[in-house]
Amino acid sequence: AQSVAQPEDQVNVAEGNPLTVKCTYSVSGNPYLFWYVQYPNRGLQFLLKYITGDNLVKGSYGFEAEFNKSQTSFHLKKPSALVSDSALYFCAVRDLVNSGNTPLVFGKGTRLSVIA
Amino acid sequence: EAGVAQSPRYKIIEKRQSVAFWCNPISGHATLYWYQQILGQGPKLLIQFQNNGVVDDSQLPKDRFSAERLKGVDSTLKIQPAKLEDSAVYLCASTQRGGLPYNEQFFGPGTRLTVL
Repeated sequence: AQSVAQPEDQVNVAEGNPLTVKCTYSVSGNPYLFWYVQYPNRGLQFLLKYITGDNLVKGSYGFEAEFNKSQTSFHLKKPSALVSDSALYFCAVRDLVNSGNTPLVFGKGTRLSVIA
Repeated sequence: EAGVAQSPRYKIIEKRQSVAFWCNPISGHATLYWYQQILGQGPKLLIQFQNNGVVDDSQLPKDRFSAERLKGVDSTLKIQPAKLEDSAVYLCASTQRGGLPYNEQFFGPGTRLTVL
């Protein structure tokens, strides 16, 4: 079964500095990978996804993520953090094994705190 | 475009009582999902509908949870009787027609359930 690991519960970064939120995954087939963000008292919002092709994916609000198949990672990055980026970030994976309808599996989330 | 609507936003009940949550997906979205998000964890899929048919309910505790989407539009999730461990945020999400595995999901604000 597919799984996602977000090894950091909390990431703190100063405003203007680059940020990285880590994600590793495990699948049997090929992965579809997603990042979502959750602001307080709001539902999850889609940031970006990797389906195929270019390993560097660009998404909303200046975020990007790099798919690394050998390391089974999909880390979220942003060159310059904003205080408004402070939120809970979730990595999610869908396993394409047998082209079946496998569910989207989420990591436990990483809380990003950007300090002014 | 209106987003995914959910009600109520908050609900407090005592154990062994019953509760129901309502979701109205984005217009035209044929695929609807219900997730359970326990504090400190990522969302976990409970059930997926394609129009008014169930695609995946393998993680739904069917002895106490039920869900329906009779007309293929809005959906109701019910818990009867509730247990303390059902305290969580219940999220509804939808995707575009076809519910292809690489489509991003659009989430509602969730219903926070507290079972006392």
